[in-house]
Amino acid sequence: EAGVTQFPSHSVIEKGQTVTLRCDPISGHDNLYWYRRVMGKEIKFLLHFVKESKQDESGMPNNRFLAERTGGTYSTLKVQPAELEDSGVYFCASSQDWARTGQGTPRESAREKLFFGSGTQLSVL
Amino acid sequence: QQPVQSPQAVILREGEDAVINCSSSKALYSVHWYRQKHGEAPVFLMILLKGGEQKGHEKISASFNEKKQQSSLYLTASQLSYSGTYFCGTVKTGANNLFFGTGTRLTVIP
Repeated sequence: EAGVTQFPSHSVIEKGQTVTLRCDPISGHDNLYWYRRVMGKEIKFLLHFVKESKQDESGMPNNRFLAERTGGTYSTLKVQPAELEDSGVYFCASSQDWARTGQGTPRESAREKLFFGSGTQLSVL
Repeated sequence: QQPVQSPQAVILREGEDAVINCSSSKALYSVHWYRQKHGEAPVFLMILLKGGEQKGHEKISASFNEKKQQSSLYLTASQLSYSGTYFCGTVKTGANNLFFGTGTRLTVIP
């Protein structure tokens, strides 16, 4: 079974340019997440899709970031225009279920585990 | 919102044990543990749900104390392959997403 794939693996761009990152989740995983890690810091949550809908985009830094998931399959994250502070590793992850706390239904915790892609190293110069 | 991990880094000799702690200021519903080797994707280790459960994965186990809002990852008889950065991720009660700590860099030397 193919894992989560991300493209490109590395991107070096100049400040003010546009970059689009792509993520292909594991087939059948309705939940797709974007995270970012800046060197030495936490893996920071950006947003969460359930199928094609944005479940939570509270972690998106500002309106220079646009995420889409047309058709509920692959997702793209576009940064336009890029700034120096956008540099970091962007991870995509997918899961079968998500942590719907308080929903009252029995949870199968194994279905909530995240499968990560190898990330896109973005450097903005 | 992210949990706090300690220590930030640890160096072990093969065969030694280590404990990595993860704590939150918020009531937790579940805790995830992942390991990332340099340049690779983070890999899932285990999930613990509230209830004070303990789980094991090879010689790596974890506990979750929901009253203290803490989880600990135990690595026993460490192997070279255990080297990497360990992240805990927490889901707050009433929330729906996973927030990660800053990671603990573990290095196992011969």
